[in-house]
Amino acid sequence: GAVVSQHPSWVICKSGTSVKIECRSLDFQATTMFWYRQFPKQSLMLMATSNEGSKATYEQGVEKDKFLINHASLTLSTLTVTSAHPEDSSFYICSADGPGADTQYFGPGTRLTVL
Amino acid sequence: QKEVEQNSGPLSVPEGAIASLNCTYSDRGSQSFFWYRQYSGKSPELIMSIYSNGDKEDGRFTAQLNKASQYVSLLIRDSQPSDSATYLCAGGRGGSEKLVFGKGTKLTVNP
Repeated sequence: GAVVSQHPSWVICKSGTSVKIECRSLDFQATTMFWYRQFPKQSLMLMATSNEGSKATYEQGVEKDKFLINHASLTLSTLTVTSAHPEDSSFYICSADGPGADTQYFGPGTRLTVL
Repeated sequence: QKEVEQNSGPLSVPEGAIASLNCTYSDRGSQSFFWYRQYSGKSPELIMSIYSNGDKEDGRFTAQLNKASQYVSLLIRDSQPSDSATYLCAGGRGGSEKLVFGKGTKLTVNP
């Protein structure tokens, strides 16, 4: 149980375009989902906390107008990188509070490359 | 600022040895602690959770928690080359609050 999926697993796009990444909890409902970014050989960086039906809470330094998060249902959260630039190229990972909360389960991640 | 500190590593052990990974945390309000394993290029995978003082064993893995010392550790017995990965320690206040992650310790198990 507690499986989290992400789609797509990798994406290449041109600079200036927008990219949407989906995060789904497959076998449980997740009130809270989290979005992380990880650059090569660096640690996880939390970008935002997403609660179903309410606005996301962004970490300091993360541009909310650039990284749009929508948590439309208890099983789906989306991250849209708007007007992507090469410096946005990174590994984006979501996680969800598992059944009973208190434990985060990670999706497999989405590797974004912006040309 | 809530922080989780891990021994920086990298840590290298021979196959069959015990690998010891350590972590300290600054937030005394933390109630839940986790160890995640992250292979290169992959996302973190939960391997252990611990909530109470003492030891918790799961197969070759033992997590230890000492809230008075604000210290969490992970022991891996009979280390295997497949255990080679970066291990992330995380702590949180519980519920749906965000976890605070350490920077990770890279473990290499040599055949």
